[in-house]
Amino acid sequence: QVQLQESGPGLVKPSQTLSLTCTVSSGSISSGGYYWSWIRQHPGEGLEWIGYIYYSGITYYNPSLKSRATISVDTSKNQFSLKVSSVTAADTAVYYCARVPARGTRFDYWGQGTLVTVSS
Amino acid sequence: QSALTQPASVSGSPGQSITISCTGTSSDVDDYNYVSWYQQHPGKAPKLMIYEVSNRPSGVSNRFSGSKSGNTASLTISGLQAEDEADYYCSSYTSSSTLFGTGTKVTVL
Repeated sequence: QVQLQESGPGLVKPSQTLSLTCTVSSGSISSGGYYWSWIRQHPGEGLEWIGYIYYSGITYYNPSLKSRATISVDTSKNQFSLKVSSVTAADTAVYYCARVPARGTRFDYWGQGTLVTVSS
Repeated sequence: QSALTQPASVSGSPGQSITISCTGTSSDVDDYNYVSWYQQHPGKAPKLMIYEVSNRPSGVSNRFSGSKSGNTASLTISGLQAEDEADYYCSSYTSSSTLFGTGTKVTVL
């Protein structure tokens, strides 16, 4: 079955750019049929959808992130990535990547999550 | 767009049934049959329990069921078990976003 694994720095300084990668195993991103998503969870709080990408590069974002988030895909590596610019302490969260069978319908496979702390 | 509204906590004794509500608006829950539910144990990733209002993924116990009426969706857990103690989140598609609920902590007494 599909497996997703997040990777990236666990500590980012304020005003810098947070960068994470999600590696997909046992399933090809370029085969289509699925969207690939990032979701985050602030400590002790609920889930927040960040955005989706399709293998072709089509993206959709949560308007609340005010254009600070950028999702990209590298089909040759079977990975997709997230960048969040101008981070503040409010961006401290566990970041999850997930697979979406059809845009917005459900997140059926999730990565284990990675904690990113924004601090100087 | 605001998060969907869920009760902060719901509790029940083993064997009982509980229901968690998820209230949205005419632009999300009421407008689409794309409501899903997730179970999250502490320190773990969320797990899909229900999709498209009432469908169960393969491997999910039939003790979990979902429904919707107007702008409110519901998750019912029948025959409550100790392992069901977790946080539960609903989610709904909208034309411009995907919303999550505020989350409900289920306690098995």
